[in-house]
Amino acid sequence: AQTVTQSQPEMSVQEAETVTLSCTYDTSESDYYLFWYKQPPSRQMILVIRQEAYKQQNATENRFSVNFQKAAKSFSLKISDSQLGDAAMYFCAYRSWDNNDMRFGAGTRLTVKP
Amino acid sequence: NAGVTQTPKFQVLKTGQSMTLQCAQDMNHEYMSWYRQDPGMGLRLIHYSVGAGITDQGEVPNGYNVSRSTTEDFPLRLLSAAPSQTSVYFCASSFGDGLVLRQQYFGPGTRLTVT
Repeated sequence: AQTVTQSQPEMSVQEAETVTLSCTYDTSESDYYLFWYKQPPSRQMILVIRQEAYKQQNATENRFSVNFQKAAKSFSLKISDSQLGDAAMYFCAYRSWDNNDMRFGAGTRLTVKP
Repeated sequence: NAGVTQTPKFQVLKTGQSMTLQCAQDMNHEYMSWYRQDPGMGLRLIHYSVGAGITDQGEVPNGYNVSRSTTEDFPLRLLSAAPSQTSVYFCASSFGDGLVLRQQYFGPGTRLTVT
């Protein structure tokens, strides 16, 4: 079964600076999807960014971008110009392309200091 | 669209009691799923459904039952609650056709405590 590992339980960043959250995964599949979700104190799960494994180009959504290294099975999230509203739990997730099996990492709690 | 809705938001049960967590979506999604979230463990898939009348087990199905009689609704049943089922439960839905990127939409969660 696929596993997702987030090795940083907590991270801290100064407002307006850049932070990178790490995620690695283990799979034998060649086609799959990767996601980063944000979970603020409201507990709502909010999609931040997504990446299809067959795409070589790294996904970007405004201040959020990923570094997808397929051979290394690495999928890190970079947050630029960090804002106070970015403070939350961030979950990395893996989903097979042909079924509903979705696996999540344990999460990284991001604190943004003013 | 209301998106994915879950009721109740909070629930306290005694060991051995039964209850149903409700989930509904109004986006005509084929796929619906139930997850539980425990501290330090991320989300784990309990059960999922690929369409009305079709359900399957996820990573941690024991102690839970599901059914899918309509596209919109996907209730999760706890037949005999145990303290180990104390958790936050999330329902999610998505489209599921071919190679379309299947972003899951999550409900707001239900915090369940079993004493």
